Amino acid sequence: ETGVTQSPTHLIKTRGQQVTLRCSSQSGHNTVSWYQQALGQGPQFIFQYYREEENGRGNFPPRFSGLQFPNYSSELNVNALELDDSALYLCASSLGFSPLHFGNGTRLTVT
Amino acid sequence: DQQVKQNSPSLSVQEGRISILNCDYTNSMFDYFLWYKKYPAEGPTFLISISSIKDKNEDGRFTVFLNKSAKHLSLHIVPSQPGDSAVYFCAAGAQGGSEKLVFGKGTKLTVNP
Repeated sequence: ETGVTQSPTHLIKTRGQQVTLRCSSQSGHNTVSWYQQALGQGPQFIFQYYREEENGRGNFPPRFSGLQFPNYSSELNVNALELDDSALYLCASSLGFSPLHFGNGTRLTVT
Repeated sequence: DQQVKQNSPSLSVQEGRISILNCDYTNSMFDYFLWYKKYPAEGPTFLISISSIKDKNEDGRFTVFLNKSAKHLSLHIVPSQPGDSAVYFCAAGAQGGSEKLVFGKGTKLTVNP
């Protein structure tokens, strides 16, 4: 059973740039959720995708967008990066009401 | 406005003793609760969950207690082991929704040999 994998593991971007983070869901899981974890905080829900459609969104601006592909993998895109976007971005997959299974995250630094 | 609060940023216990991690929530719509454990440089790992229809759930050394009237849950680890040293996150959700989980800020547990 392959777990949730995320790429890249680390990324450094400049303010104003755009970034794409990628996630492969755990085998058999059809739902992908993205969370942002700032330093010293718990993970905060960004949005969730199910059957390639956004299925719930947290309190994040529209410059945070996503995609889910037919193989259930997903991308998180962030436009016009701000310094406060520096965080660990976690992808999690699930099936039905099963607990979320998280990847190891992508550490994004915006300078 | 934090809907899920873990008021203890850190906890230190001796190996073999009980670790008790606490969590409070404010949203009455939450009806299931989870604990996740996180090691450095890894993603959170699911530990144990409880539905609001129960007041206790046990899995090996880990037991979660839920007090709905007090909007409080706790995780008991008995006996504590050095490998349990990690950050523990409490999370809450409302089943039937979008599976959005609301996390606390975490408690760093250190189990000393």
